[in-house]
Amino acid sequence: DAGVIQSPRHEVTEMGQEVTLRCKPISGHDYLFWYRQTMMRGLELLIYFNNNVPIDDSGMPEDRFSAKMPNASFSTLKIQPSEPRDSAVYFCASSFRGTYTGELFFGEGSRLTVL
Amino acid sequence: QKEVEQNSGPLSVPEGAIASLNCTYSDRVSQSFFWYRQYSGKSPELIMSIYSNGDKEDGRFTAQLNKASQYVSLLIRDSQPSDSATYLCAVHNAGNMLTFGGGTRLMVKP
Repeated sequence: DAGVIQSPRHEVTEMGQEVTLRCKPISGHDYLFWYRQTMMRGLELLIYFNNNVPIDDSGMPEDRFSAKMPNASFSTLKIQPSEPRDSAVYFCASSFRGTYTGELFFGEGSRLTVL
Repeated sequence: QKEVEQNSGPLSVPEGAIASLNCTYSDRVSQSFFWYRQYSGKSPELIMSIYSNGDKEDGRFTAQLNKASQYVSLLIRDSQPSDSATYLCAVHNAGNMLTFGGGTRLMVKP
């Protein structure tokens, strides 16, 4: 079975450009999470969806970040305009029935570098 | 204030030794606790879960939980070089969120 699929795997862009990260969750999973990982701050939850509906976006750093989930098989995380401090690895993860069991399935991540 | 705290390491142990990884958390109502392993350049993967006080064993891994002390630990017996990775402690909070600690980097030397 295919796991969580993220694209692009690597993105290098210049400050001020728009960045769009994409995620395809595991089929049948009803929760989708976007995390950001940096050396300084570790793995931080940005936003999560349940049945395509955003539930908690309190981790989104600021208005430059937005996320959508138009259907059960696709989500995007957009940064506009991007800044050097946005450089990080962005992980998408999905799960079935939430996080009580702790089993999140992570994609391979999108490594973003903003120059 | 971070909700889940771990020593960043690196924790260096010789092959065959016991590696002990520790984690403390601040939210007293947390009910479920997890250990994820993350190899360098890879994504985290779940290796252990624990829900009640005491020990839970799975092969060479033992998770320990003490809710009164708000303390979770992971013991790895007979450590192997392939165990070298960063170990992330995660705590389930209200609202279906997992909060991760910063991770402890483990190095097992042959």
